[in-house]
Amino acid sequence: QVQLQESGPQLVKPSETLSLTCTVSGGSISSYFCSWIRQSPGKGLEWIGYSYSGAGTNYNPSLKSRVTITLDTSKNHFSLKLRSVTAADTAVYFCASGSGRLFDRWGQGTLVTVSS
Amino acid sequence: SYMLTQPPSVSVAPGTTAAITCGGDRIVTKSVHWYQQKPGQAPVLVLWYDSDRPSGIPERFSGSNSGNTATLTISRVEAGDEADYYCQVWDGSVDYAVFGGGTKLTVL
Repeated sequence: QVQLQESGPQLVKPSETLSLTCTVSGGSISSYFCSWIRQSPGKGLEWIGYSYSGAGTNYNPSLKSRVTITLDTSKNHFSLKLRSVTAADTAVYFCASGSGRLFDRWGQGTLVTVSS
Repeated sequence: SYMLTQPPSVSVAPGTTAAITCGGDRIVTKSVHWYQQKPGQAPVLVLWYDSDRPSGIPERFSGSNSGNTATLTISRVEAGDEADYYCQVWDGSVDYAVFGGGTKLTVL
């Protein structure tokens, strides 16, 4: 049973970089599309981007200039970096994986607040 | 960019059938996936590839996709089905995921 768990700071200052890690157990990240998805308070789901060892990386165009997603197969985890954050980036951040271009496993989510 | 449109809310009585729609240009040409999200929880995949159920999802959940509309149908609705439901497709032309805005299902 594949399980995902997000970790990282829950408070980030404006203009700084948000960094989160998703640790995967029960399966190899080399086999999955690994994605980050966020949800602003009271809002819907917003896809941030994915990385897949067999197909590269791609990002939501609205965030592309500030986002990097990387895979670390040796630690079986993947990471998100979002630069130059503002209050609008305050959200619950989910990591998710799928055997295809969908999301059949999700982490529990972590609330990241951008505030000074 | 590709857009998906869902009704903000749907309300049904227990034991009846709920239909949640997801509109998109020629959506029939895409595979549609549906997620259920209860308050404070992560989304759960309830249908994939238009109408297939992942393991553990009740047969009461079914789906269809035709023309410009995909539909998630929940039969014999229970109080525990009350949640937000999101549709999702992959826009292959630009290689990214698109979510609908979500539909809040209320069980009266």
